[in-house]
Amino acid sequence: DAKTTQPTSMDCAEGRAANLPCNHSTISGNEYVYWYRQIHSQGPQYIIHGLKNNETNEMASLIITEDRKSSTLILPHATLRDTAVYYCIVRVADSGGGADGLTFGKGTHLIIQP
Amino acid sequence: DAGITQSPRYKITETGRQVTLMCHQTWSHSYMFWYRQDLGHGLRLIYYSAAADITDKGEVPDGYVVSRSKTENFPLTLESATRSQTSVYFCASSEGRVHRGYTFGSGTRLTVV
Repeated sequence: DAKTTQPTSMDCAEGRAANLPCNHSTISGNEYVYWYRQIHSQGPQYIIHGLKNNETNEMASLIITEDRKSSTLILPHATLRDTAVYYCIVRVADSGGGADGLTFGKGTHLIIQP
Repeated sequence: DAGITQSPRYKITETGRQVTLMCHQTWSHSYMFWYRQDLGHGLRLIYYSAAADITDKGEVPDGYVVSRSKTENFPLTLESATRSQTSVYFCASSEGRVHRGYTFGSGTRLTVV
């Protein structure tokens, strides 16, 4: 799986958009970008994933650059409950034979300020 | 209720004792995983399973045993607990073929004294 680089921590004001960057310059053509988050003392939670097109769901939007070397997770209206560690993970999709576990890095600790 | 459940939520055990952590999922997901989380190391994969009776080692399997006789259950056993196995343990499941992500349980906080 390709390596990812994320900032250690970020602050964002409540109600504003939180933009979390991730660099994955060695990503392969068959690797997806996945985002998870972990709220304190809870298990990680899947947020969103994408291959090359931008994606949006009820939780967030994922913007992937055209060269696929970086991406940004956007929480459009951050709330205090969005304070968590956010993990960017690059890997092949399970159908591609990659169902051997996710590799978590250190992630970004996002703190939403009131 | 549908979902993935871990038990117990908290466990204190003594060094040398055998302890089993339980994981149960109601979706019939093919894939199941065990992770441990420690300060300074993040989440690390212990074992995973692609289907009933198929298991494989992850990054840190030493000192652990798993079994999967039924699709919905994936117990993790510490054969002889050591203090270094004090950790928070998370179980997860995945459909595998569909891009739905992994679903994690709430975790078991294990303390070995």
